[in-house]
Amino acid sequence: GEDVEQSLFLSVREGDSSVINCTYTDSSSTYLYWYKQEPGAGLQLLTYIFSNMDMKQDQRLTVLLNKKDKHLSLRIADTQTGDSAIYFCAETLSGGYNKLIFGAGTRLAVHP
Amino acid sequence: NAGVMQNPRHLVRRRGQEARLRCSPMKGHSHVYWYRQLPEEGLKFMVYLQKENIIDESGMPKERFSAEFPKEGPSILRIQQVVRGDSAAYFCASSPRQGGGYNEQFFGPGTRLTVL
Repeated sequence: GEDVEQSLFLSVREGDSSVINCTYTDSSSTYLYWYKQEPGAGLQLLTYIFSNMDMKQDQRLTVLLNKKDKHLSLRIADTQTGDSAIYFCAETLSGGYNKLIFGAGTRLAVHP
Repeated sequence: NAGVMQNPRHLVRRRGQEARLRCSPMKGHSHVYWYRQLPEEGLKFMVYLQKENIIDESGMPKERFSAEFPKEGPSILRIQQVVRGDSAAYFCASSPRQGGGYNEQFFGPGTRLTVL
């Protein structure tokens, strides 16, 4: 079935790295995504990875995909207070009209 | 190029009333998705529309909810006889095309519906 799971909370110190993890169940994923949602706002696409890739780097963001274990992670280097938000993992499936299937979100709190 | 627009941003309804949520996709986009976010949860897919067609409504509740995307004008998500459980944030996303390959969805700011 379609299921995406994330841990609910993560707290890090400013300047440290944050790692947010996600697992999914459906092996027909085509793309996997990380979205950021700030309070009262819509979703902002941070990055995505094609399911045939295992790593993608974009400035402070590194995405790792372990397709065998169906595990996706987002690493944010040098985390800043402006990174405090909810981070959603999502996937699209083959034949699924590109509808996004989201996890419940990980709330990242960055403290001084 | 304006982004995806949704209105109203906040909507308050009493139980039994109707709620109409509007979404104007980005210019040149003919594909619209609606998602619902219940408090403290992730977004759940509701419906996918192209101009004048409903393509996938597998996430829509069977009763009281309907959606349309007419040839002219915004996409509308309509909820009849609202109940307290309909209180949520409703997000619209648009994309320029559908099909193989990467196809980003651009999200609007959402409509926050509160049912009293």
